Amino acid sequence: TQLLEQSPQFLSIQEGENLTVYCNSSSVFSSLQWYRQEPGEGPVLLVTVVTGGEVKKLKRLTFQFGDARKDSSLHITAAQPGDTGLYLCAGVFGNEKLTFGTGTRLTIIP
Amino acid sequence: EADIYQTPRYLVIGTGKKITLECSQTMGHDKMYWYQQDPGMELHLIHYSYGVNSTEKGDLSSESTVSRIRTEHFPLTLESARPSHTSQYLCASSDPGDIYGYTFGSGTRLTVV
Repeated sequence: TQLLEQSPQFLSIQEGENLTVYCNSSSVFSSLQWYRQEPGEGPVLLVTVVTGGEVKKLKRLTFQFGDARKDSSLHITAAQPGDTGLYLCAGVFGNEKLTFGTGTRLTIIP
Repeated sequence: EADIYQTPRYLVIGTGKKITLECSQTMGHDKMYWYQQDPGMELHLIHYSYGVNSTEKGDLSSESTVSRIRTEHFPLTLESARPSHTSQYLCASSDPGDIYGYTFGSGTRLTVV
């Protein structure tokens, strides 16, 4: 089983601040996805990245896939309380099943 | 509007009872999965299926069993619940290439007392 490490594990910041969370592996991903999970619900897909160096934007969220396809980052600009949740990266290695990362629990303080 | 449904949402049950957690999807996906997740923690794959009559154990050992008699239905059964089974159980499905990601249900929060 491949291991995806996310950092930080916990992050608590004030509303309006910017933040970046990271997802790292020692192996090359075929593709990588980011999910957000709110308390009491299942994870919801935010984005899929496939090409090394790819950048995708979703309103205030910017996702970047590393050139070597071993890492990814999620940057949130001007965080809002609605951004609070557990952020999970998930990668596909070759033709294997999706492997989920360890998660970053984000809390935005109003 | 959910395309994958899990019931019940919450279940409190006594030790030794047999339980079945239901999961159904309306997307016609062949691939379905069961994950176990402690609150705020990472997801652990416990079972998966790539089609009717196909089931496999996941990365995390589990005393539960699953069946896949119909494409849309993937129930999980615990023959004798124990307090160590207390957790959230999430069901998911995906398209053949996983291109659109996994679609998750809202989960069943199980408490065994």
